[in-house]
Formats: sequence, structure tokens, C-alpha cells
Amino acid sequence: GDSVTQMEGPVTLSEEAFLTINCTYTATGYPSLFWYVQYPGEGLQLLLKATKADDKGSNKGFEATYRKETTSFHLEKGSVQVSDSAVYFCALGDPYNTNAGKSTFGDGTTLTVKP
Amino acid sequence: DGGITQSPKYLFRKEGQNVTLSCEQNLNHDAMYWYRQDPGQGLRLIYYSQIVNDFQKGDIAEGYSVSREKKESFPLTVTSAQKNPTAFYLCASSIPQGGTNEKLFFGSGTQLSVL
Repeated sequence: GDSVTQMEGPVTLSEEAFLTINCTYTATGYPSLFWYVQYPGEGLQLLLKATKADDKGSNKGFEATYRKETTSFHLEKGSVQVSDSAVYFCALGDPYNTNAGKSTFGDGTTLTVKP
Repeated sequence: DGGITQSPKYLFRKEGQNVTLSCEQNLNHDAMYWYRQDPGQGLRLIYYSQIVNDFQKGDIAEGYSVSREKKESFPLTVTSAQKNPTAFYLCASSIPQGGTNEKLFFGSGTQLSVL
């Protein structure tokens, strides 16, 4: 079945450091890929998405490129801030392209940024 | 402001008791979903509904029940048959016609614990 594997956390960085959170997937077909962010005690929010190979999603300084050849969707940010501290989830869209809610989620990676 | 409201934020269940988690949305979305989140794990789909008066089981529906009598509301009941109910529960919604490319909108969650 479809699956998502995320880099294990927790990840601790100093402010202004470079961030990479790895995400690889196995899937049938060509699903969309997503990164969601969850702040403490809250629900998830969409951070960025890519719908086809070689697409780059970007938002708030975060970027991720849909790499079909390596089945990856790594999240990057050039300079993290304390306010980026959160849990980040990589998600794979429904392979049959019918239902947004049937996405497959990774286990999440906790990021802590220290001043 | 449009959004999804979950209540209560914290809920405690006694042995043998059924409890109901509320989820209300004013986004005019047709599709609604319930997920369970355990510490250090990704989201698992419990139930989903793509239209009023219709709902489908997700991956872990046993011990749960739902109803969808109104477009705005999708309550989840955790029954006494659910032997390990302690988790963070998230409600989400989306526009189904967009298929898998559509993002999910999440509520802020309910933490359920067993007394």
C-alpha cells in the first residue's frame, strides 16, 4: 500500500540555521504531495503542496520539490525562526484522486528552534 | 471568519461510557472527516462523509460512530467498544469536487482521556 516515511525527530536548530526535513513515499499512480504544520495544541494547517513531478511548492520561506525519480518531497527553509517550532507532516494524496481526506500521513517531525 | 470548531478541547471518559465530540464548520464544505492522532504518529482516518446523510468508514472505524444530519455538523461518538480511546481527535473538511488536490481544513482538536 501507499506509505510516507519522514525523517525521525526531534530536530533542534538554532535561529537562522538551514532546515531540511526528509520525506520519501511509495505510491501507485501520481498522487499530489503535501506538507502540513501543526502548532502546539492546534490542528494541522496546509503549508505547501505540489501536484505533479518537478513541481515546487513554496510558502513562508519553506520549499519542497516533487521528485518522482527519487520518490521524495523534502522540506527546506534557508533560515528558520523560533516561530517555526512545530510538528511537520508530509502527506500523500489519495492515489485514486477522489478524496482529499484519504491522504496518507507521515508520523510527523518535531522541530524546535532555539534563539 | 470561516473555519472549523471542535468542542470540547479536553474530554474525559469513564469506563463503559459513550462520549460525543462536536465538529461544526461554516465553510460550506460538503466533505468532512474525523482523524485520530496518537503521540509520535501520523493521522489515521476514522470516518468520512462527502454529503449530508451519507458517511463511510475509514481505516479505524471500530468502536466509533458518526452522523451527518446537517452539512455544518459531523459529530463523532466514541463508544464503550473502543478499548483504547485516549488520543487527540481532529476534524477536517474539504471540497470534494476538487479531488485529491484539494487541501484539508482542520479544527483545533479534542484531547480525549480515560479516567
